[in-house]
Amino acid sequence: EDKVVQSPLSLVVHEGDTVTLNCSYEVTNFRSLLWYKQEKKAPTFLFMLTSSGIEKKSGRLSSILDKKELFSILNITATQTGDSAVYLCAVLMEYGNKLVFGAGTILRVKS
Amino acid sequence: NAGVTQTPKFRVLKTGQSMTLLCAQDMNHEYMYWYRQDPGMGLRLIHYSVGEGTTAKGEVPDGYNVSRLKKQNFLLGLESAAPSQTSVYFCASSYNPLAGGPSYEQYFGPGTRLTVT
Repeated sequence: EDKVVQSPLSLVVHEGDTVTLNCSYEVTNFRSLLWYKQEKKAPTFLFMLTSSGIEKKSGRLSSILDKKELFSILNITATQTGDSAVYLCAVLMEYGNKLVFGAGTILRVKS
Repeated sequence: NAGVTQTPKFRVLKTGQSMTLLCAQDMNHEYMYWYRQDPGMGLRLIHYSVGEGTTAKGEVPDGYNVSRLKKQNFLLGLESAAPSQTSVYFCASSYNPLAGGPSYEQYFGPGTRLTVT
């Protein structure tokens, strides 16, 4: 069974802290790994990683994919209250463009 | 350009009632998807479609039916609602990556909160 596991389930930090969110996966037909940010409503796309390495998004967010060890990390530096959200990791399957999601990490940034 | 829209936004049903959720996209995407999101479980794929007139089962298809009569619309039906179907439902759409589409990214609608009592 295809599986994506995220940790921690929730996290509370203060503004300015650095956070690391983890995502491990076991899937049969891996194409890419995606990170989404979900605030009140629809998930919004952050990153897609296909090869092992680093992908930067906005300067404060970065993500690493390790295809050998089957995990990804999302780093957020100098956190702001606007970073408070659920962060979802998903694996894009080779066939049908299907996504298998993890349960998400709830991040709360306190001012 | 509205992106992905869903109707209704909220609905309360009694056990055994039926309803249809409508998803519409104006990005000319070939692929469309229906997910449900429950606390602590992330998003799970119910059904998806790779083009007009086609549908396929996802991870949790039981109790749901879908139809894709027009490329821009994807309907999700509940024939006999059960309390276990209380959830937030998200529709998404994407290009066809196999046809060299510009992105694998799935674009999500705002969600429909359904409560079955």
